[in-house]
Amino acid sequence: DVKVTQSSRYLVKRTGEKVFLECVQDMDHENMFWYRQDPGLGLRLIYFSYDVKMKEKGDIPEGYSVSREKKERFSLILESASTNQTSMYLCASSAFGFVTDTQYFGPGTRLTVL
Amino acid sequence: ELKVEQNPLFLSMQEGKNYTIYCNYSTTSDRLYWYRQDPGKSLESLFVLLSNGAVKQEGRLMASLDTKARLSTLHITAAVHDLSATYFCAVDLNYGGSQGNLIFGKGTKLSVKP
Repeated sequence: DVKVTQSSRYLVKRTGEKVFLECVQDMDHENMFWYRQDPGLGLRLIYFSYDVKMKEKGDIPEGYSVSREKKERFSLILESASTNQTSMYLCASSAFGFVTDTQYFGPGTRLTVL
Repeated sequence: ELKVEQNPLFLSMQEGKNYTIYCNYSTTSDRLYWYRQDPGKSLESLFVLLSNGAVKQEGRLMASLDTKARLSTLHITAAVHDLSATYFCAVDLNYGGSQGNLIFGKGTKLSVKP
């Protein structure tokens, strides 16, 4: 069974803290993604990666960075958390190639920045 | 800029009734995805539509794709309470032949009442 896991379901941090969100997939997928989901705005792509050590900016990368040192793990980093980064963060992965696969999502991390 | 628009955004249905959710997108793409999200949960893949005229059915849900009209529909037949959820469509920007960046609609929150 395909599986994408995220390190925390709920997280509370203070303004200015450095925050790490971890995502691990066990499907040997090349592509991994970080989204944030906010009411009325849907899902917005923050960053994605199509290979180890590769990363591409999505629609809203400001205030975030990512790290992909191993194929199965994709980390989202908030260098200095701010209250407007309070949101639900979803990680996803998908296979690379011309045979299209869907994206598989993790359970999400609800982050609150105080 | 690619836009993906769903309508309606909110849908309240009676059990047993039929209805259609629409997903319009603004650029050429031949890959469209439908996802379901239950409250507090992550996204679950429902359908992957890969070509013009594609139709997929699962239980009371049927999805279709018209790439010329840049339109996908999700049709609900004889709704039941268990279908209450938020439904998202997403369009693939098709970078380099791999499944990369998806652009999501804002979602349609469906509530099925007895």
